[in-house]
Amino acid sequence: DAGVTQSPTHLIKTRGQQVTLRCSPKSGHDTVSWYQQALGQGPQFIFQYYEEEERQRGNFPDRFSGHQFPNYSSELNVNALLLGDSALYLCASKRGSSYNEQFFGPGTRLTVL
Amino acid sequence: AQSVAQPEDQVNVAEGNPLTVKCTYSVSGNPYLFWYVQYPNRGLQFLLKYITGDNLVKGSYGFEAEFNKSQTSFHLKKPSALVSDSALYFCAVRDIPGNTPLVFGKGTRLSVIA
Repeated sequence: DAGVTQSPTHLIKTRGQQVTLRCSPKSGHDTVSWYQQALGQGPQFIFQYYEEEERQRGNFPDRFSGHQFPNYSSELNVNALLLGDSALYLCASKRGSSYNEQFFGPGTRLTVL
Repeated sequence: AQSVAQPEDQVNVAEGNPLTVKCTYSVSGNPYLFWYVQYPNRGLQFLLKYITGDNLVKGSYGFEAEFNKSQTSFHLKKPSALVSDSALYFCAVRDIPGNTPLVFGKGTRLSVIA
């Protein structure tokens, strides 16, 4: 059973560019959350998708947007990249209930130059 | 608002000795608490969780955590540390009930020395 997968593994962009990160949830999971983990910090919640809708959002600007597809996979889009967007972006999935734990993917390391 | 504090950036312990990684939390209601571990260039791996019941929770790889409501703490413990336990450990919390986002601490780096 494949766990949460993310692509690409690493990405280098320049300021002002746009980026799309992808996530496939663990089999049987329908809820996907995205986190940003800056160097030396804990993960910070960006948003959560369930039934193809954004259900919750953390304290991130509108430059960060997402999408969930009918097969529960998800994308994270970041526009007008800033140097401060350099981080490890983690995707986590779980099965619907609020009380189920999340399973994390290996992350995408984004470097903005 | 929810918050988590991990007061130690780094914990060093000799192999075979007991280890403790500290975590305190703040929530408006009842807490739903987690510990995750992160190895280099890897995502977070779930270790254990507490929602209700016995204050001592047992998890993966021989780890356990003790929930203390009066001290608002959820310290991670292991009776005998292994070199392979060396990693970054994160405590996380969310409110019960509701579907509030998970809030993570900044992490504690555990080094187990042979």
